[in-house]
Amino acid sequence: EVQLLESGGGLVEPGGSLRLSCTASGITFGSHAMSWVRQAPGKGLEWVSTISVGGGSTYYADSVKGRFTISSDNSKNMLFLQMNSLRAEDTAVYHCAMRYCAGCTYWGYFDFWGQGSLVTVSS
Amino acid sequence: QSALTQPASVSGSPGQSITISCTGTNSDIGAYSHVSWYQQHPGKVPKLLIYGVNIRPSGVSNRFSASKSGHTASLTISGLQTEDEADYYCSSYTSSTTLVFGGGTKLTVL
Repeated sequence: EVQLLESGGGLVEPGGSLRLSCTASGITFGSHAMSWVRQAPGKGLEWVSTISVGGGSTYYADSVKGRFTISSDNSKNMLFLQMNSLRAEDTAVYHCAMRYCAGCTYWGYFDFWGQGSLVTVSS
Repeated sequence: QSALTQPASVSGSPGQSITISCTGTNSDIGAYSHVSWYQQHPGKVPKLLIYGVNIRPSGVSNRFSASKSGHTASLTISGLQTEDEADYYCSSYTSSTTLVFGGGTKLTVL
Protein backbone atom coordinates (compact mmCIF):
# COMPACT_ATOMS: atom_id res chain seq x y z
CA GLU A 1 0.00 0.00 0.00
CA VAL A 2 1.34 3.40 -0.99
CA GLN A 3 1.70 5.83 1.91
CA LEU A 4 3.05 9.37 1.91
CA LEU A 5 3.86 11.12 5.18
CA GLU A 6 4.87 14.77 5.37
CA SER A 7 6.77 16.45 8.17
CA GLY A 8 8.62 19.67 8.88
CA GLY A 9 5.81 22.21 8.91
CA GLY A 10 5.37 24.86 11.55
CA LEU A 11 5.29 28.56 12.28
CA VAL A 12 7.91 30.76 10.64
CA GLU A 13 8.33 34.51 10.34
CA PRO A 14 8.10 36.27 6.99
CA GLY A 15 11.43 36.02 5.20
CA GLY A 16 12.30 32.83 7.02
CA SER A 17 13.02 29.32 5.77
CA LEU A 18 11.57 25.88 6.32
CA ARG A 19 12.25 22.43 4.91
CA LEU A 20 9.44 19.99 4.36
CA SER A 21 9.99 16.26 4.06
CA CYS A 22 7.82 13.50 2.65
CA THR A 23 8.56 9.86 3.40
CA ALA A 24 7.13 7.36 0.95
CA SER A 25 6.45 3.69 1.52
CA GLY A 26 5.00 0.99 -0.67
CA ILE A 27 6.69 2.26 -3.82
CA THR A 28 10.00 2.14 -5.61
CA PHE A 29 10.66 5.80 -4.95
CA GLY A 30 12.87 6.62 -7.90
CA SER A 31 10.38 5.19 -10.39
CA HIS A 32 7.76 7.90 -9.93
CA ALA A 33 7.62 11.64 -10.32
CA MET A 34 6.78 13.34 -7.03
CA SER A 35 5.04 16.63 -6.42
CA TRP A 36 4.03 19.16 -3.82
CA VAL A 37 0.54 20.64 -3.86
CA ARG A 38 -0.63 23.20 -1.30
CA GLN A 39 -3.96 24.39 -0.01
CA ALA A 40 -4.32 27.63 1.89
CA PRO A 41 -6.89 27.56 4.71
CA GLY A 42 -10.37 27.60 3.19
CA LYS A 43 -8.96 27.95 -0.31
CA GLY A 44 -8.41 25.78 -3.36
CA LEU A 45 -5.59 23.56 -4.51
CA GLU A 46 -2.39 25.03 -5.90
CA TRP A 47 0.34 23.00 -7.57
CA VAL A 48 3.74 23.99 -6.22
CA SER A 49 6.47 21.82 -7.69
CA THR A 50 7.35 18.47 -9.27
CA ILE A 51 10.52 16.44 -9.57
CA SER A 52 10.71 14.02 -12.46
CA VAL A 53 11.45 10.31 -12.39
CA GLY A 54 15.11 10.02 -11.54
CA GLY A 55 15.25 13.64 -10.40
CA GLY A 56 16.66 14.97 -13.63
CA SER A 57 14.06 17.67 -14.09
CA THR A 58 12.25 19.98 -11.71
CA TYR A 59 9.24 22.20 -12.30
CA TYR A 60 7.89 25.11 -10.26
CA ALA A 61 4.85 27.34 -10.09
CA ASP A 62 5.64 30.96 -10.87
CA SER A 63 4.56 31.89 -7.34
CA VAL A 64 7.45 29.94 -5.77
CA LYS A 65 10.10 29.90 -8.49
CA GLY A 66 13.42 31.14 -7.19
CA ARG A 67 12.37 30.71 -3.56
CA PHE A 68 11.51 27.00 -3.27
CA THR A 69 13.66 24.00 -4.23
CA ILE A 70 12.38 20.47 -4.66
CA SER A 71 14.73 17.51 -4.23
CA SER A 72 14.69 13.84 -3.37
CA ASP A 73 16.83 11.16 -1.78
CA ASN A 74 15.92 7.89 -3.44
CA SER A 75 18.04 5.87 -1.00
CA LYS A 76 15.83 7.10 1.83
CA ASN A 77 12.53 7.18 -0.08
CA MET A 78 12.23 10.87 0.76
CA LEU A 79 11.06 13.99 -1.01
CA PHE A 80 11.97 17.48 0.19
CA LEU A 81 10.82 21.04 -0.33
CA GLN A 82 13.23 23.74 0.78
CA MET A 83 11.26 26.96 1.22
CA ASN A 84 13.14 30.25 1.50
CA SER A 85 12.03 33.88 1.66
CA LEU A 86 8.65 32.77 2.94
CA ARG A 87 5.68 35.11 2.64
CA ALA A 88 2.33 35.25 4.37
CA GLU A 89 0.70 33.99 1.18
CA ASP A 90 2.72 30.78 1.45
CA THR A 91 0.64 29.81 4.49
CA ALA A 92 -1.01 26.52 3.58
CA VAL A 93 -1.18 22.80 4.12
CA TYR A 94 1.49 21.28 1.89
CA HIS A 95 0.71 17.86 0.45
CA CYS A 96 3.13 15.43 -1.04
CA ALA A 97 1.42 13.82 -4.04
CA MET A 98 2.23 11.38 -6.80
CA ARG A 99 0.97 9.54 -9.80
CA TYR A 100 1.41 5.82 -9.22
CA CYS A 101 2.38 4.87 -12.74
CA ALA A 102 5.87 3.53 -13.30
CA GLY A 103 7.04 4.42 -16.77
CA CYS A 104 4.41 7.08 -17.37
CA THR A 105 5.89 10.24 -18.77
CA TYR A 106 3.16 12.60 -17.62
CA TRP A 107 3.36 13.46 -13.92
CA GLY A 108 0.34 15.68 -13.39
CA TYR A 109 -2.26 13.22 -12.12
CA PHE A 110 -2.22 12.62 -8.38
CA ASP A 111 -3.75 9.37 -7.20
CA PHE A 112 -1.89 9.27 -3.91
CA TRP A 113 -1.72 12.14 -1.43
CA GLY A 114 -0.19 12.58 1.99
CA GLN A 115 -2.27 14.12 4.76
CA GLY A 116 -0.24 17.30 4.56
CA SER A 117 1.93 19.49 6.76
CA LEU A 118 0.77 22.95 7.82
CA VAL A 119 3.08 25.85 7.18
CA THR A 120 2.14 29.15 8.81
CA VAL A 121 4.05 32.29 7.87
CA SER A 122 3.35 35.02 10.38
CA SER A 123 5.13 37.43 12.67
CA GLN B 1 -0.34 30.94 -14.82
CA SER B 2 -3.88 31.96 -13.95
CA ALA B 3 -6.18 29.43 -12.32
CA LEU B 4 -8.73 27.68 -14.46
CA THR B 5 -12.23 29.10 -14.07
CA GLN B 6 -14.89 27.04 -12.34
CA PRO B 7 -18.28 28.10 -10.96
CA ALA B 8 -18.03 28.71 -7.24
CA SER B 9 -21.02 26.52 -6.51
CA VAL B 10 -23.55 24.21 -8.09
CA SER B 11 -26.44 22.32 -6.59
CA GLY B 12 -28.79 19.52 -7.44
CA SER B 13 -31.27 17.11 -5.96
CA PRO B 14 -30.68 13.42 -5.36
CA GLY B 15 -31.04 11.48 -8.59
CA GLN B 16 -30.47 14.49 -10.81
CA SER B 17 -27.44 15.19 -12.98
CA ILE B 18 -25.19 18.21 -12.73
CA THR B 19 -22.30 19.50 -14.82
CA ILE B 20 -19.34 21.52 -13.62
CA SER B 21 -17.45 23.52 -16.19
CA CYS B 22 -13.75 24.35 -16.18
CA THR B 23 -12.58 27.05 -18.55
CA GLY B 24 -8.97 27.57 -19.49
CA THR B 25 -7.09 28.87 -22.46
CA ASN B 26 -5.37 27.66 -25.58
CA SER B 27 -2.22 27.28 -23.48
CA ASP B 28 -3.65 24.68 -21.15
CA ILE B 29 -6.97 22.86 -21.64
CA GLY B 30 -7.15 23.87 -25.28
CA ALA B 31 -3.69 22.54 -26.03
CA TYR B 32 -3.45 19.27 -24.11
CA SER B 33 -5.47 16.21 -23.15
CA HIS B 34 -3.94 16.24 -19.67
CA VAL B 35 -7.09 17.33 -17.86
CA SER B 36 -8.07 15.81 -14.53
CA TRP B 37 -10.75 16.20 -11.90
CA TYR B 38 -10.60 15.76 -8.13
CA GLN B 39 -13.22 15.40 -5.42
CA GLN B 40 -12.46 16.69 -1.93
CA HIS B 41 -14.65 16.14 1.08
CA PRO B 42 -14.18 18.48 4.08
CA GLY B 43 -11.07 17.61 6.05
CA LYS B 44 -10.00 14.96 3.54
CA VAL B 45 -7.32 14.81 0.88
CA PRO B 46 -8.40 15.15 -2.75
CA LYS B 47 -9.41 12.03 -4.65
CA LEU B 48 -8.62 11.61 -8.33
CA LEU B 49 -11.90 11.15 -10.21
CA ILE B 50 -10.90 11.61 -13.84
CA TYR B 51 -7.63 11.81 -15.75
CA GLY B 52 -6.73 12.14 -19.39
CA VAL B 53 -9.91 14.22 -19.96
CA ASN B 54 -12.35 11.34 -19.55
CA ILE B 55 -10.68 8.27 -18.01
CA ARG B 56 -11.93 7.01 -14.66
CA PRO B 57 -9.39 5.36 -12.36
CA SER B 58 -10.27 1.93 -11.11
CA GLY B 59 -12.87 2.14 -8.35
CA VAL B 60 -14.44 5.45 -9.38
CA SER B 61 -18.15 5.23 -10.00
CA ASN B 62 -19.36 5.40 -13.60
CA ARG B 63 -21.75 8.12 -12.43
CA PHE B 64 -18.78 10.44 -12.96
CA SER B 65 -17.99 11.33 -16.56
CA ALA B 66 -16.06 14.12 -18.21
CA SER B 67 -15.30 15.68 -21.55
CA LYS B 68 -13.48 18.55 -23.21
CA SER B 69 -14.39 20.93 -26.00
CA GLY B 70 -11.93 23.56 -27.08
CA HIS B 71 -10.54 25.16 -23.95
CA THR B 72 -13.38 24.11 -21.68
CA ALA B 73 -13.59 20.85 -19.76
CA SER B 74 -16.70 19.52 -18.05
CA LEU B 75 -17.45 17.05 -15.29
CA THR B 76 -20.88 15.47 -15.15
CA ILE B 77 -22.23 13.63 -12.14
CA SER B 78 -25.35 11.61 -12.83
CA GLY B 79 -27.74 10.09 -10.31
CA LEU B 80 -26.63 12.55 -7.62
CA GLN B 81 -26.18 11.06 -4.17
CA THR B 82 -25.79 12.84 -0.86
CA GLU B 83 -22.22 11.58 -0.57
CA ASP B 84 -21.36 13.49 -3.75
CA GLU B 85 -21.57 16.72 -1.76
CA ALA B 86 -17.97 17.95 -1.83
CA ASP B 87 -15.59 20.36 -3.53
CA TYR B 88 -14.52 19.56 -7.07
CA TYR B 89 -11.34 20.75 -8.77
CA CYS B 90 -10.17 20.52 -12.36
CA SER B 91 -6.55 20.72 -13.41
CA SER B 92 -4.58 20.89 -16.62
CA TYR B 93 -1.05 20.76 -17.88
CA THR B 94 0.14 24.03 -19.40
CA SER B 95 2.48 25.08 -22.17
CA SER B 96 4.85 26.42 -19.50
CA THR B 97 5.43 22.81 -18.27
CA THR B 98 3.44 23.62 -15.17
CA LEU B 99 0.15 22.43 -13.74
CA VAL B 100 -2.80 24.67 -13.02
CA PHE B 101 -5.88 23.94 -10.91
CA GLY B 102 -9.31 25.47 -11.08
CA GLY B 103 -10.58 27.54 -8.18
CA GLY B 104 -12.90 24.75 -7.11
CA THR B 105 -16.67 24.20 -7.16
CA LYS B 106 -18.73 23.43 -4.10
CA LEU B 107 -21.45 20.92 -4.90
CA THR B 108 -24.49 20.96 -2.67
CA VAL B 109 -26.94 18.08 -2.86
CA LEU B 110 -30.27 19.51 -1.77
